[in-house]
Amino acid sequence: QVQLQESGPGLVKPSQTLSLTCTVSGDSITSGGYFWSWIRQNPGKGLEWIGYIYYTGRTFYNPSLKSRISISADTTKNQFSLKLTSVTAADTALYYCARVPLAYKIFDYWGQGTLLTVSS
Amino acid sequence: QSVLTQPPSASGTPGQRVTISCSGSSSSIGSNTVGWYQQLPGTAPKLLVYSNNQRPSGVPDRFSGSKSGTSASLAISGLQSEDEADYYCAAWDDSLNGHVVFGGGTKLTVL
Repeated sequence: QVQLQESGPGLVKPSQTLSLTCTVSGDSITSGGYFWSWIRQNPGKGLEWIGYIYYTGRTFYNPSLKSRISISADTTKNQFSLKLTSVTAADTALYYCARVPLAYKIFDYWGQGTLLTVSS
Repeated sequence: QSVLTQPPSASGTPGQRVTISCSGSSSSIGSNTVGWYQQLPGTAPKLLVYSNNQRPSGVPDRFSGSKSGTSASLAISGLQSEDEADYYCAAWDDSLNGHVVFGGGTKLTVL
């Protein structure tokens, strides 16, 4: 059974850099055939795709966030991470990681989400 | 503003059939398959339909998806109280270099 688990600081101050990690079990992020993705959901709002990474290190980012985000992978730990710079209150959200099978282009497994609050 | 357009709300009584629409463009739904996600209160989204009309293992056949041109629909038949949730459609968008776009979500209320 594939499982994803997000982890992060919970609270960051405005203008700081947010770092989140997704730990994958039940599958290898180097197995190929999948993107590994970040999605967020502002409180009471809809879903917003942030970006994804392929096991080769190739990344794809949401154009609206591209200047502030970076997604990387640590294959030794079977984890991938999100960095978001210069955060503001608008970045307060539930952050999810998910697996994307390239053959179907959908998010088939999701983590439970981690809440990030941006506040001084 | 979401790239895919869904009605903000829908409702039905137990046993009824409800349909949720999702409208896109030639570069999104018109060129790619659609997925649907169910988000129960306080939980992560769950994949409900993929490739327009395929159900993952474990999803009841009361849920069905369809696509025509640049629009897609999710139908829920035999509505049950536990179907009360938010529903999202999503598709790749070729005009955005293969990026993902979501609908704004539809809150389904079972009356």
